[in-house]
Amino acid sequence: DAKTTQPPSMDCAEGRAANLPCNHSTISGNEYVYWYRQIHSQGPQYIIHGLKNNETNEMASLIITEDRKSSTLILPHATLRDTAVYYCIVLNSGYSTLTFGKGTMLLVSP
Amino acid sequence: EPEVTQTPSHQVTQMGQEVILRCVPISNHLYFYWYRQILGQKVEFLVSFYNNEISEKSEIFDDQFSVERPDGSNFTLKIRSTKLEDSAMYFCASHQGAPGTTEKEQFFGPGTRLTVL
Repeated sequence: DAKTTQPPSMDCAEGRAANLPCNHSTISGNEYVYWYRQIHSQGPQYIIHGLKNNETNEMASLIITEDRKSSTLILPHATLRDTAVYYCIVLNSGYSTLTFGKGTMLLVSP
Repeated sequence: EPEVTQTPSHQVTQMGQEVILRCVPISNHLYFYWYRQILGQKVEFLVSFYNNEISEKSEIFDDQFSVERPDGSNFTLKIRSTKLEDSAMYFCASHQGAPGTTEKEQFFGPGTRLTVL
């Protein structure tokens, strides 16, 4: 089963920042935090990943707490097209298989 | 931008029939995967494939399933005798990294919707 806990749903106004939390209290030292999203009926899409430092790319920012037991995915200016299910996945550096949980359904509204 | 492609987009079959789902991973990728998603449920891992052999499989991937990389570009999933409960969206994915690397970004295809009647 997934080793992460996420809220089932969140709402965000268009243009505002969306902050999606994830708890991974049992994460071990060699495990990364990955975020994917799935827009309705499409294949999952990679967003960002990190080990312990905060990361930023063109899609999002990832903030990982110092104890690495939780993280937050930030979409700085959410658009309607960001409406999707967001999955936080903990992944051992030696393995590639993704274990998806139920994720967070983010609804971005006008 | 390179992408994973899958064909067909929708496959309808009768129970007991064989189906082959096809995928073309990104050309320089080394690891290939099949996942499935039953309507309204989680995305589930089926099998991973590296160096022309299965590297990991889930309990879902029983003897009815097989995978093959028949040439340098295609990656197929065969279901020998389909059951009603095989109805799902099947996603192919690939990534570039070899074992031991830290880059595990997987690129997913658009999926094949399999409907078993």
